[in-house]
Formats: sequence, C-alpha cells, structure tokens
Amino acid sequence: ETGVTQTPRHLVMGMTNKKSLKCEQHLGHNAMYWYKQSAKKPLELMFVYNFKEQTENNSVPSRFSPECPNSSHLFLHLHTLQPEDSALYLCASSQGPGQAPNEQFFGPGTRLTVL
Amino acid sequence: DQQVKQNSPSLSVQEGRISILNCDYTNSMFDYFLWYKKYPAEGPTFLISISSIKDKNEDGRFTVFLNKSAKHLSLHIVPSQPGDSAVYFCAASVIRDDKIIFGKGTRLHILP
Repeated sequence: ETGVTQTPRHLVMGMTNKKSLKCEQHLGHNAMYWYKQSAKKPLELMFVYNFKEQTENNSVPSRFSPECPNSSHLFLHLHTLQPEDSALYLCASSQGPGQAPNEQFFGPGTRLTVL
Repeated sequence: DQQVKQNSPSLSVQEGRISILNCDYTNSMFDYFLWYKKYPAEGPTFLISISSIKDKNEDGRFTVFLNKSAKHLSLHIVPSQPGDSAVYFCAASVIRDDKIIFGKGTRLHILP
C-alpha cells in the first residue's frame, strides 16, 4: 500500500450505531488530519494530530471521537450521529508544522450516510 | 469569515484553451499556497504550490501566479484537456502552523 488509505470507503449507519473510520499513511509523515466535506461547503478541518498528540479540535461535537495510536494510524470513532453528519470524511497526512513543503496528502475518503 | 475565497463556483473552458482559476485570501500571515484537484468520490490530490517569496511557479501545463499586494493567486492550465475537468481547491497555510485553509472550490468543465 502506498500513500494514504481509508476504510471503509462507504458506510451507512443508523443514529444509534457505533462505528469507526480508519486511516493509515505510508509516507513516514508526522501529522495526520480529519476533514469533513459536505455538499457546497469548503473542506472543514476537524482534528489535527502531530506526533500522536492532538493539537487541534475544531469545535467538533463529542459524538466524533478521534484516536491516534501512532504516527501512521488515525481513527474516527462515531456514535449517536445525526443525519446532518452525512458527508465525505477525508483523512490527510503531512510532514508536520514548520516543515516545508507542507502539502497534505489525502486519502480517498469515507462516504458516510446516517439514516 | 472565509480566509480563502474562490468566488467562481464553476468555469467552462474549451478544450485546448487556457483555464484560469482565481483565488483571494485575507490573512497576510499566509506564506504558502497550494492548489488541489479533486475528482468525484476521490480525495483531493496535490497539484502545485507556491511560496510567498515567489510570484510564479510552473509545472508542465500548470502555472500558479501569486500577487501578494492584491492577496490574489491564480492557477493557469494550458492547454486545457478533458481530464482536467474536476473541482479545484485553492488553499493557504502558514508553514510554522499545521493547518491548511481551503477555499470552497471551483468546478472546471472542459468542453470538447
């Protein structure tokens, strides 16, 4: 595997379910990110992890719970979601702050539908 | 308040002609700018970037121009090809920071 991978690619869940999204990067990067992309909105940054430490929580509701066990893996645990949480969830990685170039490399995303 | 603005939601260009995508930003602290391309059902892919110490960066058919005094950047694609049809996101960052701020995107249609 190369680059940034995400599983599952598609997920349909009920409002009472608990599910997890997984992201893995094979680029040797130190920073990982979760973004949410809803229709006709800019990419919304949700969480940032640098060297496994969370450095940003962009006012995300507690029904989204991130976990970063190491620099290569990032999870997003979902519970009691709302239909408006339906969106494309993107994971990205980068070398980290202060590193130039600081391009972020994105995974293919998980298309989440909450019924 | 949007710090990175792409005011054109969509753009249609004839195949073979030049495509020009525009982007404005408000934060003068930004020192690194990027363009991403996104196809449906895929994540954004990095296209080209430019540091604030430059005013132009070229990579094949893609050129990014930066006008710091106007807080404006543009992406030129020439010649435009059918495979260029996608959504293009402008993004900006402060290198010492760990966040990239994205615009809403411009959907480019290349017409045959």
